[in-house]
Amino acid sequence: GAGVSQSPRYKVAKRGQDVALRCDPISGHVSLFWYQQALGQGPEFLTYFQNEAQLDKSGLPSDRFFAERPEGSVSTLKIQRTQQEDSAVYLCASSLSPALNQPQHFGDGTRLSIL
Amino acid sequence: ELKVEQNPLFLSMQEGKNYTIYCNYSTTSDRLYWYRQDPGKSLESLFVLLSNGAVKQEGRLMASLDTKARLSTLHITAAVHDLSATYFCAVDSPNRDDKIIFGKGTRLHILP
Repeated sequence: GAGVSQSPRYKVAKRGQDVALRCDPISGHVSLFWYQQALGQGPEFLTYFQNEAQLDKSGLPSDRFFAERPEGSVSTLKIQRTQQEDSAVYLCASSLSPALNQPQHFGDGTRLSIL
Repeated sequence: ELKVEQNPLFLSMQEGKNYTIYCNYSTTSDRLYWYRQDPGKSLESLFVLLSNGAVKQEGRLMASLDTKARLSTLHITAAVHDLSATYFCAVDSPNRDDKIIFGKGTRLHILP
């Protein structure tokens, strides 16, 4: 499809396990963003890539969170030693170029549940 | 620190009625966005507002922006059940770092 694709859609993990969430942005989109959305809240910024460069990771809640986009396309968000408070929907968004005043296009998200 | 506040957070209304959702933000910003989210689904872009006085309309939804008051409104005309969703406004970070900051969302429920 032409939209942002995220996988898996749902992930259940035991506390302490590591998880990896994948995002396929829209082809040709330079910018890629990760957000965390808690139940009943708005998305909160985690990190941002422009091509393969991670320009901002100020929203990552701890050093257990790590994101990469090695070839400037697909991105992976990894959470190590998961905790219950990590349970949330993780959204990925991409945009063509901020300078073009285009909105971010969001994927359907990965719903992560930590038991 | 930029804060984005929406009100109301919850709204239940009858079909055929008009209503307005408000979005206030605390510091100057270049752009304001409105998104719609259905339960378990992605955020869908509705409007991008770029300048003071901007007004955009799509169907029964109309968004406006007053940058001096740091206020945007999303007006719903003659609501229909299909418009039930959560509506988020979001604002560009003033640091020009490509971040956008979201409000908590307005959960709109339209009764048939």
